[in-house]
Amino acid sequence: RKEVEQDPGPFNVPEGATVAFNCTYSNSASQSFFWYRQDCRKEPKLLMSVYSSGNEDGRFTAQLNRASQYISLLIRDSKLSDSATYLCVVKYNTNAGKSTFGDGTTLTVKP
Amino acid sequence: DGGITQSPKYLFRKEGQNVTLSCEQNLNHDAMYWYRQDPGQGLRLIYYSQIVNDFQKGDIAEGYSVSREKKESFPLTVTSAQKNPTAFYLCATSWARTDSDTQYFGPGTRLTVL
Repeated sequence: RKEVEQDPGPFNVPEGATVAFNCTYSNSASQSFFWYRQDCRKEPKLLMSVYSSGNEDGRFTAQLNRASQYISLLIRDSKLSDSATYLCVVKYNTNAGKSTFGDGTTLTVKP
Repeated sequence: DGGITQSPKYLFRKEGQNVTLSCEQNLNHDAMYWYRQDPGQGLRLIYYSQIVNDFQKGDIAEGYSVSREKKESFPLTVTSAQKNPTAFYLCATSWARTDSDTQYFGPGTRLTVL
């Protein structure tokens, strides 16, 4: 079993739809959580950090469930420009400096 | 212009040759990282460094080497011992603090072995 697992893709949704991605992690000592966005053949870029209380940035909402060991990303009112691969990242501070990346979930938003 | 630069953007190598990928940053970040990404997969950690003159192996260090002689620079050498080096190589940096450890990525180098 992988340390970080993401929903298998691809997700194909119409513009304006709401879509949610989940990511599970196996190490209960995990401390830091992030969602990155990666466009085709480009570098990953930070979308949001994920906090215990949950956080929202415009149309994007991230939540953390420590009891069930998963994080989620909700995108409301999808735009064509949201089409990308979304990477879940988990950091275990017991291994200072090391982060584990999920394989990513691909989202395609269609007109 | 601040940020992380990687060069070259595309690199072609013949089998049996060593090649060095450059990563430079002017963000004054303490930590630097090298990842490898294969098509349809996530990033896998090759090496990382939290401080000058010190670095640690990641999950797939075999066939790679690094140095950290300056805070700004963390070059990666892909040696001939790396059996399948064709991939997208990404350099990242961060503060070496648990309360501010977000990683920022350079634009990457695509290495192709001919």
